[in-house]
Amino acid sequence: GNSVTQMEGPVTLSEEAFLTINCTYTATGYPSLFWYVQYPGEGLQLLLKATKADDKGSNKGFEATYRKETTSFHLEKGSVQVSDSAVYFCALTAISSGSARQLTFGSGTQLTVLP
Amino acid sequence: ETGVTQSPTHLIKTRGQQVTLRCSSQSGHNTVSWYQQALGQGPQFIFQYYREEENGRGNFPPRFSGLQFPNYSSELNVNALELDDSALYLCASSQTGTGLEKLFFGSGTQLSVL
Repeated sequence: GNSVTQMEGPVTLSEEAFLTINCTYTATGYPSLFWYVQYPGEGLQLLLKATKADDKGSNKGFEATYRKETTSFHLEKGSVQVSDSAVYFCALTAISSGSARQLTFGSGTQLTVLP
Repeated sequence: ETGVTQSPTHLIKTRGQQVTLRCSSQSGHNTVSWYQQALGQGPQFIFQYYREEENGRGNFPPRFSGLQFPNYSSELNVNALELDDSALYLCASSQTGTGLEKLFFGSGTQLSVL
């Protein structure tokens, strides 16, 4: 079946440090890949996406490249800010029983950025 | 435009009871999905509703059921609550035909089963 594996957290960085959060996946077919962010007390928000191999998704300084050969979609940011502190989820699409498109999520990585 | 709203925000039940969680879709959205997020885990797909019918289901037992109303709002019902049902329940809405980048999540209902 489909699955997503994220690097274990929590991750603590100083402001302006470089961020990498690893994500690998197992899927049949050619899934689309996503990164979601969850701030305390809020719902999940889409951060970026990539729909095919070698696509690079980017938003708010975050980037991730869809690597089919390594089945990876690692999240990176060159200089983190305190406001980036949140839980980050890697996810992929799959077709559920029926016709619904569902998201399969990794277990999440808690990021804390210290001033 | 209004976002996805869920009620209640927190709920405490005892094992064996039944619970109903509610979700109001974002304006213009006709599809609702429900996810269960256990502590320290990623969300897991429960089911999706479109045109008041379930059109997809994850690996959850039949005691998890739902409804969608003509105004596209939705309910999640869980019967015979178990301790492992303690989790954050997330509702997400979208418009059919749009990609998952147009999927919007509510803040969730935190359910505690004692």
